[in-house]
Amino acid sequence: DAGVTQSPTHLIKTRGQQVTLRCSPKSGHDTVSWYQQALGQGPQFIFQYYEEEERQRGNFPDRFSGHQYPNYSSELNVNALLLGDSALYLCASTRTGDRYEQYFGPGTRLTVT
Amino acid sequence: SQQGEEDPQALSIQEGENATMNCSYKTSINNLQWYRQNSGRGLVHLILIRSNERETHSGRLRVTLDTSKKSSSLLITASRAADTASYFCATDARGGNQFYFGTGTSLTVIP
Repeated sequence: DAGVTQSPTHLIKTRGQQVTLRCSPKSGHDTVSWYQQALGQGPQFIFQYYEEEERQRGNFPDRFSGHQYPNYSSELNVNALLLGDSALYLCASTRTGDRYEQYFGPGTRLTVT
Repeated sequence: SQQGEEDPQALSIQEGENATMNCSYKTSINNLQWYRQNSGRGLVHLILIRSNERETHSGRLRVTLDTSKKSSSLLITASRAADTASYFCATDARGGNQFYFGTGTSLTVIP
């Protein structure tokens, strides 16, 4: 049973560019949340997707957008990258009715230069 | 701002000793969870305590919750070198799907 997978593992981008990160949830899970974790900090909630809709959003600008596909996989898009967007981006999946136990992927390390 | 704040920020103990870390939060919650993270990798769910519980256990983990003080503690007994990691508490505000993580406690267990 595969857990949560994320791609790519590492990514280096230049300021102003756009990036797409991908996540496949754990088998049987239908809800995907994205988090940003800056170095030395705890994860900060970006948004959550359920039934292909953004269900809740944290305090992040519109440059951060997402999508969920019918197979429950999800993408995180960040436009007009800033140096401050450099972080570990974590995807977590849960199953409706059991939302408290989140399973996290290994993350994508994004470096913006 | 983040909901939870852990203390201490860093903790170093000898193998076999107990490790205690604390978490404070700001608003009413449904549940509080503790997660572990090894060196910049994904988080692993350790244990959950519901807002109507005062204490729960799982193996070498013991968690307490004091909703009047808006605080929780995680005790790891008989620590092992493999317990070296960062530990985060996470809370969910009532009625929300958003989880708030603290800044974490970095635990080092010296063999």
